[in-house]
Amino acid sequence: TQLLEQSPQFLSIQEGENLTVYCNSSSVFSSLQWYRQEPGEGPVLLVTVVTGGEVKKLKRLTFQFGDARKDSSLHITAAQPGDTGLYLCADLNNNAGNMLTFGGGTRLMVKP
Amino acid sequence: DSGVTQTPKHLITATGQRVTLRCSPRSGDLSVYWYQQSLDQGLQFLIQYYNGEERAKGNILERFSAQQFPDLHSELNLSSLELGDSALYFCASSVLETGSQYFGPGTRLTVL
Repeated sequence: TQLLEQSPQFLSIQEGENLTVYCNSSSVFSSLQWYRQEPGEGPVLLVTVVTGGEVKKLKRLTFQFGDARKDSSLHITAAQPGDTGLYLCADLNNNAGNMLTFGGGTRLMVKP
Repeated sequence: DSGVTQTPKHLITATGQRVTLRCSPRSGDLSVYWYQQSLDQGLQFLIQYYNGEERAKGNILERFSAQQFPDLHSELNLSSLELGDSALYFCASSVLETGSQYFGPGTRLTVL
């Protein structure tokens, strides 16, 4: 059974600061996805990465996929209060249906 | 708004009871997924249906069952409810059997 560990579990920062959160897997990812979930809502897909070493940018968010495809990081530049939420990494496994295996998440709070 | 709708938004019931959660996928999506999110277990995949057929099963208890109807909406039935079943239940949908999933706003179930 694949285990995804995310760190840190909680992060509280001031507006304008930079931050990095991490996701590590016990086995190679099929496809890695990052989601953001706000209170009272479902997760929203931010990015999908497939190739080892891949880097994707989404405005102030930079996603890196490790060369061995077992780890990933999400870096946010100049965080804003709107970035507050639960950040989840997930493995999308197409081998048996299309199931997502999620990490425990990093809960981010950005204070104005 | 992801286009996935779930009803009801909140549900409070007692131990031993049975409830039905309903999900309408995005227009045109053929796959429906159910996930459970609790504080201790995180977000966990339960089951996937594609065009009415079960495609993948995760950590779904025998007390739980689901189905997808000809109009593609889905229902998750939870019976003999226990306190530990209190959680957020999310439905997601995707166009095909594989591919990115779009999550609904969830149903919060409280078992007293």
